[in-house]
Amino acid sequence: GESVGLHLPTLSVQEGDNSIINCAYSNSASDYFIWYKQESGKGPQFIIDIRSNMDKRQGQRVTVLLNKTVKHLSLQIAATQPGDSAVYFCAENSLPHDKVIFGPGTSLSVIP
Amino acid sequence: ETGVTQSPTHLIKTRGQQVTLRCSSQSGHNTVSWYQQALGQGPQFIFQYYREEENGRGNFPPRFSGLQFPNYSSELNVNALELDDSALYLCASSLASWNSYGYTFGSGTRLTVV
Repeated sequence: GESVGLHLPTLSVQEGDNSIINCAYSNSASDYFIWYKQESGKGPQFIIDIRSNMDKRQGQRVTVLLNKTVKHLSLQIAATQPGDSAVYFCAENSLPHDKVIFGPGTSLSVIP
Repeated sequence: ETGVTQSPTHLIKTRGQQVTLRCSSQSGHNTVSWYQQALGQGPQFIFQYYREEENGRGNFPPRFSGLQFPNYSSELNVNALELDDSALYLCASSLASWNSYGYTFGSGTRLTVV
């Protein structure tokens, strides 16, 4: 079946350092990947996405890398700030069913 | 302010009871998806509704059912509640069923079954 999983369940970084959160997926038919941030008491919030015809996409302080050969996805956060502390989920969307499948999540803790 | 409102925010039910959770989608969004998120885990897809019809379902039993109304509000109904149904239930609305970029999540309903 389809699955999306994360290598690291928890990550602690110093404020100002860069963070890298990794994710593995198993469905080679997935064509669209999304990173979400979930803060305590809130629903998931869209961060950045990438389509399978790309290998890199940059946003504000965030970069997503996609390696289809090894079915690996990563989220890089530059100059991590205390407000970045949250649980981060990678997710995949495989058409035509258009259901978004979430991984188990990585908890990012920023040390001031 | 996400534009997606869920009610109630918290709910306690007894095993065997039935529950209805409600979601008010962002204006104009014709697709709504429901997710179950157990503590410490990622959201699990329950089902999706597009223009009032079920448009995909995850691995959940039939006692999980839903409705979507013409005003784009929706309901998640769970019958014969079990202890393992305790979770955060999230709804997400979008303008089109094919574009996850447009997904907007509500803050969820925390259901506790005792």
